[in-house]
Amino acid sequence: RKEVEQDPGPFNVPEGATVAFNCTYSNSASQSFFWYRQDCRKEPKLLMSVYSSGNEDGRFTAQLNRASQYISLLIRDSKLSDSATYLCVVRDNYGQNFVFGPGTRLSVLP
Amino acid sequence: DAGVTQSPTHLIKTRGQQVTLRCSPKSGHDTVSWYQQALGQGPQFIFQYYEEEERQRGNFPDRFSGHQFPNYSSELNVNALLLGDSALYLCASSLSVEGYTFGSGTRLTVV
Repeated sequence: RKEVEQDPGPFNVPEGATVAFNCTYSNSASQSFFWYRQDCRKEPKLLMSVYSSGNEDGRFTAQLNRASQYISLLIRDSKLSDSATYLCVVRDNYGQNFVFGPGTRLSVLP
Repeated sequence: DAGVTQSPTHLIKTRGQQVTLRCSPKSGHDTVSWYQQALGQGPQFIFQYYEEEERQRGNFPDRFSGHQFPNYSSELNVNALLLGDSALYLCASSLSVEGYTFGSGTRLTVV
């Protein structure tokens, strides 16, 4: 089993739609969780950290369920500019190495 | 404040050759990690350097080696290149428990 797994995608949604991405991780001792965004042929960029209490940043909401080892990202009122690959990232229990999921590609269509 | 800088941006090498990629971390960051990203996949961890020592290593063969210098910059060396080494090589720097900051990567093509 891979350490971090994500919805295979791609997700093709119309502008204004709400879309949710799911991610599971296998290491129960993982300490920190993040969502990164990667545009085509560019480097990954931090979108948001994920906290146990859940956190929101504008149209983006991240949730963490430690018991189920599950992370989610919700994008509301999607924009064309949200088109990208979304990477789920887990920091291992030593607090050093970041483990990336394979990513889920989102295309927001006009 | 400069972010993470990598050089070169693109590189074409022949199978069997050796390559060195370079990374300068973001100012104030002391930890450098290297990742390999094949097309359509997530980044795969190669190794991490801290205080000029390899602190952690992923599942990559010994052909992949690295170094960190006293100014925290780092090099990734790959010997005996294979066609399958063609990928985007990403350098990320960090400080303690903060999130990574990535460089724009070096795109390596092995022919």
